[in-house]
Amino acid sequence: DAKTTQPNSMESNEEEPVHLPCNHSTISGTDYIHWYRQLPSQGPEYVIHGLTSNVNNRMASLAIAEDRKSSTLILHRATLRDAAVYYCILRPLESGTYKYIFGTGTRLKVLA
Amino acid sequence: DTEVTQTPKHLVMGMTNKKSLKCEQHMGHRAMYWYKQKAKKPPELMFVYSYEKLSINESVPSRFSPECPNSSLLNLHLHALQPEDSALYLCASSQGLTSPDTQYFGPGTRLTVL
Repeated sequence: DAKTTQPNSMESNEEEPVHLPCNHSTISGTDYIHWYRQLPSQGPEYVIHGLTSNVNNRMASLAIAEDRKSSTLILHRATLRDAAVYYCILRPLESGTYKYIFGTGTRLKVLA
Repeated sequence: DTEVTQTPKHLVMGMTNKKSLKCEQHMGHRAMYWYKQKAKKPPELMFVYSYEKLSINESVPSRFSPECPNSSLLNLHLHALQPEDSALYLCASSQGLTSPDTQYFGPGTRLTVL
């Protein structure tokens, strides 16, 4: 299975942009890149996904490298509520079902 | 409504007990998932049901027995668990179509095995 590599932790000041990197050098052509975040004592929450092109939604932006071997989740203005573990996920197809392969996650700390 | 509900929120059981975890969704999703998450680790996939049929079993020990009675419900039956099975058990669902098939997670059941 393709793997993702993320830094263990990052810090950001409140109201500043945050760039969370993810390496996925063994990604295959059909793997979507998903990002989720998990707040303490909650289940993972969907943030954004993409395949080849950069994507924007109300929560974040996803920048995907041209060779697709890496991607970056961008939070435009971090707030204290964005403190969470952020997971970069690939989604290979197996047995006719898409399964999520979670990365180890980046714990984001937001400083007031 | 993008909600996946799980009951109970917390469960403490002995190694000889039999218990069940329940997951429910009313989004019309046809794929449902069980994950296990240990502290400070990412979720690990256990089982996938697609259109009420078990499609993936990630070599999970037989003391965990999944069941999908209908397209909205997913159960995980627990029997003769070990203390190392203590974890957060997460349920998720997705449309079950080809792509992008975003998964929606429930809040989890925190299981403690004594």
